[in-house]
Amino acid sequence: TQLLKQSPQFLSIQEGENLTVYCNSSSVFSSLQWYRQEPGEGPVLLVTVVTGGEVKKLKRLTFQFGDARKDSSLHITAAQTGDTGLYLCAGGTAGNNRKLIWGLGTSLAVNP
Amino acid sequence: DSGVTQTPKHLITATGQRVTLRCSPRSGDLSVYWYQQSLDQGLQFLIHYYNGEERAKGNILERFSAQQFPDLHSELNLSSLELGDSALYFCASSVGTGLYSNQPQHFGDGTRLSIL
Repeated sequence: TQLLKQSPQFLSIQEGENLTVYCNSSSVFSSLQWYRQEPGEGPVLLVTVVTGGEVKKLKRLTFQFGDARKDSSLHITAAQTGDTGLYLCAGGTAGNNRKLIWGLGTSLAVNP
Repeated sequence: DSGVTQTPKHLITATGQRVTLRCSPRSGDLSVYWYQQSLDQGLQFLIHYYNGEERAKGNILERFSAQQFPDLHSELNLSSLELGDSALYFCASSVGTGLYSNQPQHFGDGTRLSIL
């Protein structure tokens, strides 16, 4: 069974702080997607990484895919209250009949 | 706005009842996915349809069924409802089959189902 573990499960920080959340697995994924979900809404795709070691930046957010494509991290610089939400990672399986394996998410609260 | 429309937004019903949740995918998307989200289980994949055909099944109970119609909208039917079925139900859509690549999925805002 392929599992994705996200850590920490909950994170509460002050505005302006930096943070990193992690998405780890013992399985290899063909791609890794990060989503953010706000209360009352569905998840929204932030980024997809597909190459081992790949780093993608989205303004203050930096995403990295591990060299072995088993793990990923999301680093937020100078967090803002608008970053509050549930951050979900989803790993794409390889081969035929591909599907997404979802982590349980990291719930981030950025306090003013 | 993701372009995916789900109705109703909220649904309150009793145990043993049957409900139907509806999803209209983003214009041009042929794939529809259904998910169940609860606090303890996270986002659980239920089923995937592509252009009217079932493509993949996840943790979907036998009491649940779905279909995708020729106009590409989809319905998720939940029957013999139990207290544990209370959850958020999301629909997502993507452009292709998703079989050979992991395409991004666009989510609706969900239907909150409460079983009393």
